[in-house]
Amino acid sequence: QSALTQPRSVSGSPGQSVTISCTGISSDVGGYKYVSWYQQYPGKAPKLIIYEVTKRPSGVPDRFSGSKSGNTASLTISGLQADDEADYYCCSYAGSSTFVVFGGGTKMTVL
Amino acid sequence: QITLKESGPTLVKPTQTLTLTCTFSGFSLTSSGVGVGWIRQPPGKALEWLAFIYWDDDRRFSPSLKSRLTISKDTSKNQVVLKMTSMDPVDTATYYCAHARLGLFGELDWFDPWGQGTLVTVSS
Repeated sequence: QSALTQPRSVSGSPGQSVTISCTGISSDVGGYKYVSWYQQYPGKAPKLIIYEVTKRPSGVPDRFSGSKSGNTASLTISGLQADDEADYYCCSYAGSSTFVVFGGGTKMTVL
Repeated sequence: QITLKESGPTLVKPTQTLTLTCTFSGFSLTSSGVGVGWIRQPPGKALEWLAFIYWDDDRRFSPSLKSRLTISKDTSKNQVVLKMTSMDPVDTATYYCAHARLGLFGELDWFDPWGQGTLVTVSS
């Protein structure tokens, strides 16, 4: 069982917006600004798409956005495209001892 | 451009020790605010963080695997080595290394980029 809770799957039609939640506790998601999101295609390495809750690395479309409220972080993908069909993982800093926790991953399906 | 690549055995027997090497380029592991982490992913399952080494040689380990893991770096070779003892079939996974940036007080900010990963199968 992963430390951060994500829905196993979400889906949406092209052009729609979809939000993936990532729920932790006050000592990880709720306690730090260091929440990141990764996109992973089958057989490929994960790719960073959001860091520090809301920031996008260079080259990541602004259709991807992040937010946080309390112990829950969220990734929103607007204007869904077929290429967005992938697995998405959240990750949070969790203090000096636990250090890092990942979510269980969410499979995004574009209908 | 930062690149990382994992290398090591593709098959290990139960009870053996796994040794994986991450060879990187495009950054120095002596630079402040930089680190390298190891993350694994069993087939069809989620990512699991294993270990982390800071530029100053400080280390962090997954609490659930701490007793089985060691991590070290060789800055002259631009390599980070992960060792995991007492391998079991449940440790079958793709093992990734990743470059990391850290926050002001050593917090893990993000992992990017990642190596391509190496699949390790544990079987007799």
